Amino acid sequence: SAVISQKPSRDICQRGTSLTIQCQVDSQVTMMFWYRQQPGQSLTLIATANQGSEATYESGFVIDKFPISRPNLTFSTLTVSNMSPEDSSIYLCSVEGLAGGPRETQYFGPGTRLLVL
Amino acid sequence: GESVGLHLPTLSVQEGDNSIINCAYSNSASDYFIWYKQESGKGPQFIIDIRSNMDKRQGQRVTVLLNKTVKHLSLQIAATQPGDSAVYFCAESRDSSYKLIFGSGTRLLVRP
Repeated sequence: SAVISQKPSRDICQRGTSLTIQCQVDSQVTMMFWYRQQPGQSLTLIATANQGSEATYESGFVIDKFPISRPNLTFSTLTVSNMSPEDSSIYLCSVEGLAGGPRETQYFGPGTRLLVL
Repeated sequence: GESVGLHLPTLSVQEGDNSIINCAYSNSASDYFIWYKQESGKGPQFIIDIRSNMDKRQGQRVTVLLNKTVKHLSLQIAATQPGDSAVYFCAESRDSSYKLIFGSGTRLLVRP
C-alpha cells in the first residue's frame, strides 16, 4: 500500500479561525476522499476530492465550510473554516486506485486530531 | 489519549482465543465489503475485503464471512493476540460507487 501522510497530526485552534489540513501520497492515485470521525463514532464521508475540478460534497457538508483542493494526483487539502467546538474531530484522508490493488479499496492516512476551544 | 471508540460496543476475549466481530449492513445492492482495524491514535488500517460473489475469504489469521441473505458480515480472528486490541469497522461499497459506508464499529479488548 502507499504511504499517506497528513499535516498537521494534531492542532488546538480558537473558534472562528480556519485550519488547512494537507494530505500527501507517495504515488499517484485515482481517488482521494476526506472523512470526519467525531469522538467515539464511526467515519463519515465529507467529500470526494476531484483532481482539476470542484470537490463532490456529501449531504450535510458544504464547500463554504470545508473547501477542498486537489491540484494533482498525489496531494489534497481540506480547510475547516470558521471553526466551532463542534468541529472538534479527527479528519482523515483516504485514497483509492492504487496500482495493483482492488479498485474500491481505500487506504487511510494517520488522521489530523483537531480540538476547537 | 483520544476518544475513538469510547461509546462503541466492546468484545472482550482471552488471549489465544478466537474472536468473532459482527456487522449488519443495510443495502442489498452493496457488492464489496472491507474490514478495517483502527488502533488508538492511528487511521483505519485495511485488514481484508470480500466481494458479494463470495461467502468466505481467508487471510493471515483472519476470515471474513458474508451472508447476503441476512445482510450480515463477520470477521473472525484466530488465536487473538494483545496487538489485535483495537476498534474494528466494517464498510460497504454500493454498486458502481466509490463511496464507502462505514458501520458503527466494535472495540476488541484482549485480556492477557
